[in-house]
Amino acid sequence: SAVISQKPSRDICQRGTSLTIQCQVDSQVTMMFWYRQQPGQSLTLIATANQGSEATYESGFVIDKFPISRPNLTFSTLTVSNMSPEDSSIYLCSVGEMGNTIYFGEGSWLTVV
Amino acid sequence: QQQVKQSPQSLIVQKGGISIINCAYENTAFDYFPWYQQFPGKGPALLIAIRPDVSEKKEGRFTISFNKSAKQFSLHIMDSQPGDSATYFCAASKETSGSRLTFGEGTQLTVNP
Repeated sequence: SAVISQKPSRDICQRGTSLTIQCQVDSQVTMMFWYRQQPGQSLTLIATANQGSEATYESGFVIDKFPISRPNLTFSTLTVSNMSPEDSSIYLCSVGEMGNTIYFGEGSWLTVV
Repeated sequence: QQQVKQSPQSLIVQKGGISIINCAYENTAFDYFPWYQQFPGKGPALLIAIRPDVSEKKEGRFTISFNKSAKQFSLHIMDSQPGDSATYFCAASKETSGSRLTFGEGTQLTVNP
Protein backbone atom coordinates (compact mmCIF):
# COMPACT_ATOMS: atom_id res chain seq x y z
CA SER A 1 0.00 0.00 0.00
CA ALA A 2 1.07 3.58 -0.62
CA VAL A 3 2.53 5.62 2.24
CA ILE A 4 0.93 9.05 2.34
CA SER A 5 2.41 11.94 4.31
CA GLN A 6 0.46 15.09 5.00
CA LYS A 7 1.76 18.39 6.35
CA PRO A 8 0.79 20.03 8.59
CA SER A 9 -0.79 17.33 10.71
CA ARG A 10 -2.52 19.92 12.84
CA ASP A 11 -2.80 23.71 12.88
CA ILE A 12 -4.72 26.56 14.43
CA CYS A 13 -5.39 29.36 11.98
CA GLN A 14 -6.70 32.88 12.20
CA ARG A 15 -9.93 33.82 10.46
CA GLY A 16 -9.30 35.35 7.04
CA THR A 17 -5.94 33.68 6.46
CA SER A 18 -5.06 30.88 4.06
CA LEU A 19 -3.27 27.60 4.68
CA THR A 20 -1.67 25.20 2.25
CA ILE A 21 -1.69 21.48 3.01
CA GLN A 22 0.86 19.22 1.37
CA CYS A 23 0.42 15.58 0.40
CA GLN A 24 3.44 13.45 -0.50
CA VAL A 25 3.18 9.83 -1.65
CA ASP A 26 6.06 7.35 -1.62
CA SER A 27 5.24 6.05 -5.11
CA GLN A 28 3.71 7.34 -8.31
CA VAL A 29 -0.08 7.13 -8.31
CA THR A 30 -2.66 7.83 -10.95
CA MET A 31 -5.44 9.16 -8.76
CA MET A 32 -5.17 11.76 -6.02
CA PHE A 33 -8.15 13.18 -4.18
CA TRP A 34 -8.85 15.66 -1.41
CA TYR A 35 -11.64 14.99 1.10
CA ARG A 36 -13.04 17.04 3.97
CA GLN A 37 -14.31 15.53 7.20
CA GLN A 38 -16.09 17.98 9.46
CA PRO A 39 -16.12 17.18 13.21
CA GLY A 40 -18.08 14.01 13.89
CA GLN A 41 -19.17 13.75 10.26
CA SER A 42 -18.51 11.60 7.24
CA LEU A 43 -16.08 12.28 4.43
CA THR A 44 -16.97 14.54 1.52
CA LEU A 45 -14.96 14.68 -1.68
CA ILE A 46 -13.66 18.16 -2.46
CA ALA A 47 -11.89 17.51 -5.73
CA THR A 48 -9.78 15.21 -7.86
CA ALA A 49 -6.23 16.50 -8.28
CA ASN A 50 -5.19 16.11 -11.90
CA GLN A 51 -1.52 15.98 -12.77
CA GLY A 52 -0.54 18.87 -14.98
CA SER A 53 -4.04 20.31 -15.30
CA GLU A 54 -6.76 21.99 -13.28
CA ALA A 55 -8.43 19.98 -10.53
CA THR A 56 -11.96 18.65 -10.96
CA TYR A 57 -14.19 20.02 -8.21
CA GLU A 58 -17.31 18.45 -6.73
CA SER A 59 -20.56 20.32 -6.39
CA GLY A 60 -20.33 22.89 -3.62
CA PHE A 61 -16.57 23.36 -3.84
CA VAL A 62 -14.85 26.02 -5.94
CA ILE A 63 -11.31 26.69 -7.05
CA ASP A 64 -11.15 30.15 -5.51
CA LYS A 65 -11.79 28.69 -2.07
CA PHE A 66 -9.83 25.45 -2.45
CA PRO A 67 -7.07 25.86 -5.04
CA ILE A 68 -5.27 22.60 -5.73
CA SER A 69 -1.99 21.86 -7.42
CA ARG A 70 -0.53 18.57 -8.61
CA PRO A 71 2.83 19.12 -10.29
CA ASN A 72 3.73 15.41 -10.52
CA LEU A 73 2.48 11.89 -9.74
CA THR A 74 3.63 11.89 -6.11
CA PHE A 75 2.72 15.34 -4.76
CA SER A 76 -0.29 17.60 -4.36
CA THR A 77 -1.30 20.65 -2.36
CA LEU A 78 -4.66 21.92 -1.17
CA THR A 79 -5.04 25.52 -0.06
CA VAL A 80 -7.92 26.56 2.14
CA SER A 81 -8.39 30.26 1.38
CA ASN A 82 -9.85 33.08 3.43
CA MET A 83 -10.69 30.69 6.26
CA SER A 84 -13.70 30.98 8.53
CA PRO A 85 -14.62 28.87 11.57
CA GLU A 86 -16.84 26.76 9.28
CA ASP A 87 -13.66 25.54 7.58
CA SER A 88 -12.53 23.82 10.78
CA SER A 89 -12.24 20.24 9.59
CA ILE A 90 -9.94 17.36 8.86
CA TYR A 91 -8.61 17.55 5.33
CA LEU A 92 -7.59 14.18 3.93
CA CYS A 93 -5.46 13.32 0.94
CA SER A 94 -6.21 10.00 -0.71
CA VAL A 95 -4.56 8.10 -3.54
CA GLY A 96 -5.14 5.05 -5.67
CA GLU A 97 -5.17 3.48 -9.07
CA MET A 98 -8.21 3.21 -11.32
CA GLY A 99 -10.43 0.39 -10.14
CA ASN A 100 -8.28 -0.39 -7.13
CA THR A 101 -7.95 0.42 -3.46
CA ILE A 102 -8.07 4.01 -2.34
CA TYR A 103 -5.75 4.83 0.56
CA PHE A 104 -5.95 7.77 2.91
CA GLY A 105 -3.37 9.84 4.71
CA GLU A 106 -3.65 10.63 8.41
CA GLY A 107 -5.26 13.97 7.67
CA SER A 108 -4.58 17.60 8.47
CA TRP A 109 -6.63 18.85 11.40
CA LEU A 110 -7.44 22.53 11.01
CA THR A 111 -9.05 24.72 13.62
CA VAL A 112 -9.99 28.26 12.58
CA VAL A 113 -10.36 30.82 15.35
CA GLN B 1 -29.00 13.68 -2.16
CA GLN B 2 -27.38 11.06 0.03
CA GLN B 3 -26.43 8.22 -2.28
CA VAL B 4 -25.21 5.84 0.42
CA LYS B 5 -27.23 5.47 3.59
CA GLN B 6 -25.66 3.77 6.61
CA SER B 7 -27.17 2.43 9.81
CA PRO B 8 -27.07 2.34 12.73
CA GLN B 9 -25.42 5.62 13.68
CA SER B 10 -23.99 3.99 16.81
CA LEU B 11 -23.70 0.43 18.01
CA ILE B 12 -22.73 -1.11 21.33
CA VAL B 13 -21.74 -4.77 21.40
CA GLN B 14 -20.37 -7.05 24.07
CA LYS B 15 -16.97 -8.66 23.63
CA GLY B 16 -17.34 -11.82 21.60
CA GLY B 17 -20.57 -10.72 19.98
CA ILE B 18 -21.37 -9.99 16.34
CA SER B 19 -21.41 -6.41 15.09
CA ILE B 20 -23.57 -5.73 12.04
CA ILE B 21 -23.57 -2.47 10.09
CA ASN B 22 -25.80 -1.93 7.09
CA CYS B 23 -25.59 0.26 4.01
CA ALA B 24 -27.97 0.93 1.14
CA TYR B 25 -27.13 2.65 -2.11
CA GLU B 26 -29.18 4.26 -4.85
CA ASN B 27 -26.91 4.43 -7.87
CA THR B 28 -26.95 1.11 -9.72
CA ALA B 29 -23.78 2.15 -11.55
CA PHE B 30 -21.71 1.70 -8.39
CA ASP B 31 -19.37 -1.25 -8.82
CA TYR B 32 -17.00 -1.11 -5.86
CA PHE B 33 -18.02 -1.18 -2.20
CA PRO B 34 -15.28 -0.74 0.44
CA TRP B 35 -15.51 -0.46 4.19
CA TYR B 36 -13.15 1.81 6.10
CA GLN B 37 -12.24 1.79 9.79
CA GLN B 38 -11.27 5.04 11.47
CA PHE B 39 -9.78 5.41 14.93
CA PRO B 40 -9.81 8.79 16.69
CA GLY B 41 -7.08 11.05 15.37
CA LYS B 42 -6.32 8.80 12.41
CA GLY B 43 -7.21 8.67 8.76
CA PRO B 44 -9.60 6.00 7.44
CA ALA B 45 -8.01 2.61 6.78
CA LEU B 46 -9.40 0.14 4.26
CA LEU B 47 -10.86 -2.89 6.01
CA ILE B 48 -12.43 -4.96 3.28
CA ALA B 49 -14.08 -4.38 -0.09
CA ILE B 50 -16.40 -6.19 -2.48
CA ARG B 51 -17.50 -5.98 -6.09
CA PRO B 52 -21.06 -6.85 -7.20
CA ASP B 53 -20.09 -10.09 -8.93
CA VAL B 54 -19.95 -11.88 -5.56
CA SER B 55 -22.48 -12.02 -2.72
CA GLU B 56 -20.06 -12.44 0.16
CA LYS B 57 -16.42 -11.82 0.99
CA LYS B 58 -14.67 -12.85 4.17
CA GLU B 59 -11.33 -11.73 5.57
CA GLY B 60 -10.61 -13.02 9.04
CA ARG B 61 -13.34 -11.85 11.40
CA PHE B 62 -14.75 -9.39 8.86
CA THR B 63 -17.38 -10.35 6.28
CA ILE B 64 -19.20 -8.28 3.68
CA SER B 65 -22.59 -9.49 2.52
CA PHE B 66 -23.85 -7.99 -0.72
CA ASN B 67 -27.40 -8.03 -2.08
CA LYS B 68 -27.39 -6.53 -5.56
CA SER B 69 -31.16 -6.73 -6.12
CA ALA B 70 -31.87 -4.93 -2.86
CA LYS B 71 -28.97 -2.50 -3.38
CA GLN B 72 -27.71 -3.25 0.11
CA PHE B 73 -24.49 -4.41 1.66
CA SER B 74 -23.45 -5.04 5.21
CA LEU B 75 -20.37 -5.53 7.36
CA HIS B 76 -20.31 -8.32 9.93
CA ILE B 77 -17.62 -8.36 12.60
CA MET B 78 -17.48 -11.74 14.26
CA ASP B 79 -16.11 -12.22 17.79
CA SER B 80 -16.01 -8.45 18.29
CA GLN B 81 -13.14 -7.18 20.45
CA PRO B 82 -12.64 -3.93 22.39
CA GLY B 83 -9.89 -3.08 19.89
CA ASP B 84 -12.55 -3.01 17.17
CA SER B 85 -14.09 0.07 18.80
CA ALA B 86 -13.88 2.69 16.06
CA THR B 87 -15.98 4.48 13.47
CA TYR B 88 -16.83 2.45 10.40
CA PHE B 89 -17.70 3.94 7.04
CA CYS B 90 -19.17 2.19 4.05
CA ALA B 91 -18.51 3.70 0.66
CA ALA B 92 -19.25 3.16 -3.00
CA SER B 93 -17.70 4.16 -6.29
CA LYS B 94 -17.92 3.45 -9.97
CA GLU B 95 -14.80 2.80 -11.99
CA THR B 96 -15.99 5.06 -14.78
CA SER B 97 -15.95 7.99 -12.34
CA GLY B 98 -12.29 7.49 -11.60
CA SER B 99 -12.71 5.78 -8.22
CA ARG B 100 -14.29 8.78 -6.52
CA LEU B 101 -15.80 7.47 -3.27
CA THR B 102 -19.23 8.34 -1.88
CA PHE B 103 -19.33 7.64 1.84
CA GLY B 104 -22.09 6.62 4.22
CA GLU B 105 -22.68 8.63 7.37
CA GLY B 106 -20.58 6.38 9.59
CA THR B 107 -21.24 4.04 12.53
CA GLN B 108 -19.54 4.48 15.86
CA LEU B 109 -18.92 1.00 17.24
CA THR B 110 -18.20 0.40 20.92
CA VAL B 111 -17.26 -3.08 22.05
CA ASN B 112 -17.54 -3.48 25.80
CA PRO B 113 -15.12 -5.83 27.56
